[in-house]
Amino acid sequence: AQKVTQAQTEISVVEKEDVTLDCVYETRDTTYYLFWYKQPPSGELVFLIRRNSFDEQNEISGRYSWNFQKSTSSFNFTITASQVVDSAVYFCALSSNYGGATNKLIFGTGTLLAVQP
Amino acid sequence: EAGVAQSPRYKIIEKRQSVAFWCNPISGHATLYWYQQILGQGPKLLIQFQNNGVVDDSQLPKDRFSAERLKGVDSTLKIQPAKLEDSAVYLCASSLGTLTDTQYFGPGTRLTVL
Repeated sequence: AQKVTQAQTEISVVEKEDVTLDCVYETRDTTYYLFWYKQPPSGELVFLIRRNSFDEQNEISGRYSWNFQKSTSSFNFTITASQVVDSAVYFCALSSNYGGATNKLIFGTGTLLAVQP
Repeated sequence: EAGVAQSPRYKIIEKRQSVAFWCNPISGHATLYWYQQILGQGPKLLIQFQNNGVVDDSQLPKDRFSAERLKGVDSTLKIQPAKLEDSAVYLCASSLGTLTDTQYFGPGTRLTVL
């Protein structure tokens, strides 16, 4: 079975603090893709990053960084020097072929990040 | 490049009424998805189209939900009759077409069933 767990339901930080959002996944496939999406109050899911299972290099994009560790089945997301505009629900998601033609995304339950000024 | 378009953005109906949602994917995207997002949960796939063919509708409640993508571009999702538990945000997404492609989402339609 495929599953994504985001154990942190809500996180509240003060502006300029660093914050890490945790994501743990389960899959039997050897080829799979991991994603992070941001959902601001407007409701639209905004794509942030995609990682394939063969690329364990960490990635940094501005204030955002991602740590992919296959050994612990984790794909954590860190925001450095958080800002009020980072306030949103963040979703981690998994997709794989899983023996068929579908590549549906399996989402976690999301982490609500509130950044206080 | 224009993103995924959806309409309406909000809809309020009484239970047992019918409702339809419309989605226009990103130009050139062959694959289109409809997800249901209940409050406090992550989105769940309802149906996936590849061009105008259905790839996966295993989680679509077919007794009341239907979807079509007649010309391989726009799609409509219909609920008839609606139940209280159908209150949710309905998200449309599209991707280029291969299994490895990123899915891009529209703004969603928030449905309230009273």
